[in-house]
Amino acid sequence: DTGVSQDPRHKITKRGQNVTFRCDPISEHNRLYWYRQTLGQGPEFLTYFQNEAQLEKSRLLSDRFSAERPKGSFSTLEIQRTEQGDSAMYLCASSEYGGGTGQTGELFFGEGSRLTVL
Amino acid sequence: AQSVAQPEDQVNVAEGNPLTVKCTYSVSGNPYLFWYVQYPNRGLQFLLKYITGDNLVKGSYGFEAEFNKSQTSFHLKKPSALVSDSALYFCAVRDIYGNNRLAFGKGNQVVVIP
Repeated sequence: DTGVSQDPRHKITKRGQNVTFRCDPISEHNRLYWYRQTLGQGPEFLTYFQNEAQLEKSRLLSDRFSAERPKGSFSTLEIQRTEQGDSAMYLCASSEYGGGTGQTGELFFGEGSRLTVL
Repeated sequence: AQSVAQPEDQVNVAEGNPLTVKCTYSVSGNPYLFWYVQYPNRGLQFLLKYITGDNLVKGSYGFEAEFNKSQTSFHLKKPSALVSDSALYFCAVRDIYGNNRLAFGKGNQVVVIP
């Protein structure tokens, strides 16, 4: 399968624990995005990378959240000291960047990592 | 900031009837517009996009969407709905002026009744 893969698909944790999600994008895509989706809402942008550089972060990304993409390939999203309000689906997406030809904009999403904080 | 509105929470349609899911957008310049579909406990699947050119865009699974600049709308349509089209549909917009994030609407639940 050459799509975006996310791991784990489901995570149940107790409040205060740390969790980490991993995303493997489509191999030729140099842009990687993290979104959060809560029940009944559309995905909300968290952050994005172009190669290994984190170029934009949403105000939703509190200090307890950190994302990395150390080699410009896979990415991790860590949540420290989880709170019940962090319960959500965390979606990863990747896209190509057209460079001088412009941006394609089409995001390919993974299946998501569902977090439940008890 | 760019945004989209999907005014209806749920759209019910009989199988075989035309399906329309409404979306209006707000951006500071020309928009890139997208439709995605989400099945339960799954990620989002791309359906179609409008970048430039013809206002009628054709996409996957028989869906199409019409871009209307004067009404700032990008409604999703399918001439004949199938039960398997029952899912959550999201409209999204991106501003072409350097902002790379997609802004999603809250989604529309489509229920196709056999």
